[in-house]
Amino acid sequence: QSALTQPASVSGSPGQSITISCTGTSSDVGGYNYVSWYQQHPGKAPKLMIYDVSNRPSGVSNRFSGSKSGNTASLTISGLQAEDEADYYCSSYTSSSTPGWVFGGGTKLTVL
Amino acid sequence: QVQLQESGPGLVKPSETLSLTCAVSGYSISSGYYWGWIRQPPGKGLEWIGSIYHSGSTYYNPSLKSRVTISVDTSKNQFSLKLSSVTAADTAVYYCARDKRGYSGYDFDYWGQGTLVTVSS
Repeated sequence: QSALTQPASVSGSPGQSITISCTGTSSDVGGYNYVSWYQQHPGKAPKLMIYDVSNRPSGVSNRFSGSKSGNTASLTISGLQAEDEADYYCSSYTSSSTPGWVFGGGTKLTVL
Repeated sequence: QVQLQESGPGLVKPSETLSLTCAVSGYSISSGYYWGWIRQPPGKGLEWIGSIYHSGSTYYNPSLKSRVTISVDTSKNQFSLKLSSVTAADTAVYYCARDKRGYSGYDFDYWGQGTLVTVSS
Protein backbone atom coordinates (compact mmCIF):
# COMPACT_ATOMS: atom_id res chain seq x y z
CA GLN A 1 0.00 0.00 0.00
CA SER A 2 1.95 3.02 -1.28
CA ALA A 3 0.99 6.53 -0.22
CA LEU A 4 -1.11 8.62 -2.57
CA THR A 5 0.67 11.56 -4.25
CA GLN A 6 -0.27 15.13 -3.40
CA PRO A 7 1.53 18.42 -4.10
CA ALA A 8 3.47 19.56 -1.05
CA SER A 9 1.97 23.03 -1.13
CA VAL A 10 -0.55 25.26 -2.87
CA SER A 11 -1.47 28.88 -2.31
CA GLY A 12 -4.14 31.35 -3.26
CA SER A 13 -5.50 34.77 -2.39
CA PRO A 14 -8.75 35.35 -0.51
CA GLY A 15 -11.73 34.89 -2.80
CA GLN A 16 -9.83 32.79 -5.32
CA SER A 17 -10.24 29.07 -6.01
CA ILE A 18 -7.60 26.40 -5.64
CA THR A 19 -7.44 22.71 -6.51
CA ILE A 20 -5.42 20.00 -4.78
CA SER A 21 -4.75 16.80 -6.68
CA CYS A 22 -4.37 13.28 -5.29
CA THR A 23 -2.93 10.58 -7.52
CA GLY A 24 -3.11 6.88 -6.81
CA THR A 25 -3.48 3.66 -8.76
CA SER A 26 -6.19 1.40 -10.07
CA SER A 27 -6.01 -0.47 -6.75
CA ASP A 28 -7.14 2.52 -4.75
CA VAL A 29 -8.28 5.88 -6.19
CA GLY A 30 -9.06 4.48 -9.63
CA GLY A 31 -10.71 1.33 -8.37
CA TYR A 32 -13.23 2.73 -5.94
CA ASN A 33 -15.37 5.82 -5.49
CA TYR A 34 -14.20 5.94 -1.89
CA VAL A 35 -11.90 8.96 -1.81
CA SER A 36 -12.13 11.23 1.22
CA TRP A 37 -10.47 14.53 2.11
CA TYR A 38 -9.45 15.80 5.55
CA GLN A 39 -8.54 19.27 6.79
CA GLN A 40 -6.04 19.55 9.62
CA HIS A 41 -5.14 22.74 11.46
CA PRO A 42 -1.91 22.81 13.50
CA GLY A 43 -2.16 20.74 16.68
CA LYS A 44 -5.67 19.55 15.85
CA ALA A 45 -7.18 16.27 14.73
CA PRO A 46 -8.10 15.85 11.07
CA LYS A 47 -11.64 16.86 10.08
CA LEU A 48 -13.60 15.09 7.36
CA MET A 49 -14.44 17.51 4.53
CA ILE A 50 -15.40 15.25 1.60
CA TYR A 51 -16.30 11.54 1.45
CA ASP A 52 -17.01 9.12 -1.38
CA VAL A 53 -15.27 11.45 -3.87
CA SER A 54 -17.78 14.31 -3.84
CA ASN A 55 -20.08 14.18 -0.82
CA ARG A 56 -19.96 16.80 1.92
CA PRO A 57 -20.76 15.89 5.53
CA SER A 58 -23.37 17.99 7.27
CA GLY A 59 -21.91 21.29 8.37
CA VAL A 60 -19.11 21.50 5.80
CA SER A 61 -19.22 24.59 3.61
CA ASN A 62 -20.33 24.16 0.00
CA ARG A 63 -17.14 26.01 -0.96
CA PHE A 64 -15.49 22.59 -0.70
CA SER A 65 -16.05 20.16 -3.55
CA GLY A 66 -14.47 16.93 -4.77
CA SER A 67 -14.14 15.06 -8.03
CA LYS A 68 -12.27 12.17 -9.61
CA SER A 69 -10.98 11.19 -13.03
CA GLY A 70 -9.23 7.89 -13.48
CA ASN A 71 -6.53 7.47 -10.83
CA THR A 72 -6.58 11.13 -9.77
CA ALA A 73 -8.96 12.78 -7.32
CA SER A 74 -9.22 16.51 -6.71
CA LEU A 75 -10.36 18.83 -3.94
CA THR A 76 -11.45 22.32 -4.96
CA ILE A 77 -11.92 25.15 -2.51
CA SER A 78 -13.69 28.18 -3.89
CA GLY A 79 -13.95 31.64 -2.37
CA LEU A 80 -10.79 31.09 -0.29
CA GLN A 81 -10.93 32.37 3.26
CA ALA A 82 -8.19 32.86 5.81
CA GLU A 83 -9.51 30.00 7.94
CA ASP A 84 -9.03 27.58 5.05
CA GLU A 85 -5.26 27.75 5.62
CA ALA A 86 -4.41 24.25 6.83
CA ASP A 87 -2.99 20.91 5.76
CA TYR A 88 -5.20 18.77 3.54
CA TYR A 89 -4.97 14.99 3.21
CA CYS A 90 -6.66 12.70 0.74
CA SER A 91 -7.40 9.08 1.51
CA SER A 92 -8.70 6.15 -0.46
CA TYR A 93 -10.07 2.77 0.36
CA THR A 94 -7.87 0.02 -1.06
CA SER A 95 -7.91 -3.72 -1.22
CA SER A 96 -4.52 -4.21 -2.86
CA SER A 97 -3.29 -6.49 -0.08
CA THR A 98 -5.80 -6.04 2.73
CA PRO A 99 -9.05 -4.07 2.85
CA GLY A 100 -7.91 -0.79 4.34
CA TRP A 101 -6.83 2.76 3.79
CA VAL A 102 -4.05 4.69 2.17
CA PHE A 103 -3.42 8.38 2.75
CA GLY A 104 -1.71 11.06 0.70
CA GLY A 105 1.36 12.85 1.96
CA GLY A 106 -0.59 16.04 2.64
CA THR A 107 -0.75 19.48 1.04
CA LYS A 108 -0.11 22.72 2.89
CA LEU A 109 -2.58 25.39 1.77
CA THR A 110 -1.43 28.96 2.29
CA VAL A 111 -3.92 31.81 1.95
CA LEU A 112 -1.88 34.80 0.85
CA GLN B 1 -22.53 13.26 19.42
CA VAL B 2 -19.90 10.58 19.04
CA GLN B 3 -16.71 11.29 20.98
CA LEU B 4 -13.44 9.37 21.13
CA GLN B 5 -10.65 9.80 23.66
CA GLU B 6 -7.19 8.20 23.50
CA SER B 7 -5.26 7.34 26.65
CA GLY B 8 -1.98 5.67 27.48
CA PRO B 9 1.70 6.31 28.29
CA GLY B 10 3.30 9.22 26.50
CA LEU B 11 6.78 7.69 26.69
CA VAL B 12 7.79 4.16 25.71
CA LYS B 13 11.27 2.65 25.69
CA PRO B 14 12.75 1.16 22.51
CA SER B 15 11.97 -2.55 22.00
CA GLU B 16 9.01 -2.35 24.37
CA THR B 17 5.29 -2.46 23.57
CA LEU B 18 3.20 0.65 23.01
CA SER B 19 -0.32 0.33 24.46
CA LEU B 20 -3.17 2.77 23.91
CA THR B 21 -6.90 2.70 24.59
CA CYS B 22 -9.70 4.62 22.89
CA ALA B 23 -12.85 5.25 24.93
CA VAL B 24 -15.98 5.86 22.87
CA SER B 25 -18.98 7.85 24.12
CA GLY B 26 -22.22 8.81 22.43
CA TYR B 27 -22.37 5.55 20.47
CA SER B 28 -22.30 1.88 21.40
CA ILE B 29 -19.47 0.03 19.65
CA SER B 30 -21.71 -3.07 19.68
CA SER B 31 -24.15 -1.30 17.36
CA GLY B 32 -21.76 -1.45 14.42
CA TYR B 33 -19.02 0.31 12.44
CA TYR B 34 -15.34 -0.42 12.35
CA TRP B 35 -13.03 1.46 14.73
CA GLY B 36 -9.55 2.41 13.67
CA TRP B 37 -6.13 3.69 14.64
CA ILE B 38 -4.17 6.22 12.57
CA ARG B 39 -0.80 7.78 13.41
CA GLN B 40 1.13 10.87 12.37
CA PRO B 41 4.87 11.24 12.99
CA PRO B 42 5.88 14.79 13.90
CA GLY B 43 5.76 17.01 10.82
CA LYS B 44 4.68 14.13 8.57
CA GLY B 45 1.54 12.66 7.05
CA LEU B 46 -1.13 10.25 8.23
CA GLU B 47 -0.73 6.47 8.26
CA TRP B 48 -3.53 3.97 8.81
CA ILE B 49 -2.53 1.33 11.37
CA GLY B 50 -5.58 -0.91 11.46
CA SER B 51 -9.28 -1.25 12.19
CA ILE B 52 -11.54 -3.57 14.19
CA TYR B 53 -15.24 -4.48 14.05
CA HIS B 54 -17.28 -4.98 17.20
CA SER B 55 -17.21 -8.73 16.54
CA GLY B 56 -13.42 -8.64 16.77
CA SER B 57 -12.69 -8.91 13.06
CA THR B 58 -9.53 -6.94 12.24
CA TYR B 59 -7.67 -5.48 9.29
CA TYR B 60 -4.08 -4.27 9.63
CA ASN B 61 -1.75 -2.19 7.49
CA PRO B 62 0.54 -4.79 5.88
CA SER B 63 3.61 -2.72 6.75
CA LEU B 64 2.82 -2.96 10.49
CA LYS B 65 0.89 -6.21 10.65
CA SER B 66 3.63 -8.27 12.29
CA ARG B 67 3.78 -5.88 15.28
CA VAL B 68 0.16 -4.72 15.70
CA THR B 69 -2.73 -6.08 17.72
CA ILE B 70 -6.07 -4.26 17.96
CA SER B 71 -8.72 -5.53 20.36
CA VAL B 72 -12.19 -4.42 21.43
CA ASP B 73 -13.97 -4.45 24.80
CA THR B 74 -17.66 -3.88 24.14
CA SER B 75 -18.51 -3.99 27.86
CA LYS B 76 -16.35 -0.90 28.39
CA ASN B 77 -17.18 0.57 24.99
CA GLN B 78 -13.53 0.91 24.10
CA PHE B 79 -10.89 -0.53 21.81
CA SER B 80 -7.14 -0.81 22.17
CA LEU B 81 -3.89 -0.79 20.23
CA LYS B 82 -0.70 -2.68 20.98
CA LEU B 83 2.42 -2.09 18.90
CA SER B 84 5.38 -4.26 19.80
CA SER B 85 9.14 -3.84 19.40
CA VAL B 86 8.90 -0.08 19.00
CA THR B 87 11.72 2.11 17.71
CA ALA B 88 12.15 5.86 17.37
CA ALA B 89 10.35 5.61 14.02
CA ASP B 90 7.16 4.81 15.93
CA THR B 91 7.18 8.21 17.63
CA ALA B 92 3.96 9.86 16.51
CA VAL B 93 0.62 11.31 17.45
CA TYR B 94 -1.77 8.38 17.59
CA TYR B 95 -5.42 8.97 16.70
CA CYS B 96 -8.42 6.72 17.11
CA ALA B 97 -11.36 7.23 14.77
CA ARG B 98 -14.61 5.69 13.58
CA ASP B 99 -14.03 3.76 10.34
CA LYS B 100 -17.25 4.10 8.37
CA ARG B 101 -16.56 1.52 5.65
CA GLY B 102 -19.83 0.25 4.27
CA TYR B 103 -22.03 2.45 6.46
CA SER B 104 -23.26 5.29 4.24
CA GLY B 105 -19.77 6.11 3.10
CA TYR B 106 -16.12 5.09 3.30
CA ASP B 107 -14.17 7.44 5.55
CA PHE B 108 -13.17 8.30 9.12
CA ASP B 109 -15.93 10.61 10.34
CA TYR B 110 -15.20 11.00 14.07
CA TRP B 111 -11.68 11.38 15.48
CA GLY B 112 -10.13 11.55 18.91
CA GLN B 113 -7.93 14.51 19.79
CA GLY B 114 -4.79 12.40 19.44
CA THR B 115 -2.07 11.47 21.89
CA LEU B 116 1.67 11.91 21.39
CA VAL B 117 3.75 8.82 22.06
CA THR B 118 7.51 9.25 22.15
CA VAL B 119 9.85 6.28 21.89
CA SER B 120 13.02 7.03 23.81
CA SER B 121 15.22 5.52 26.48
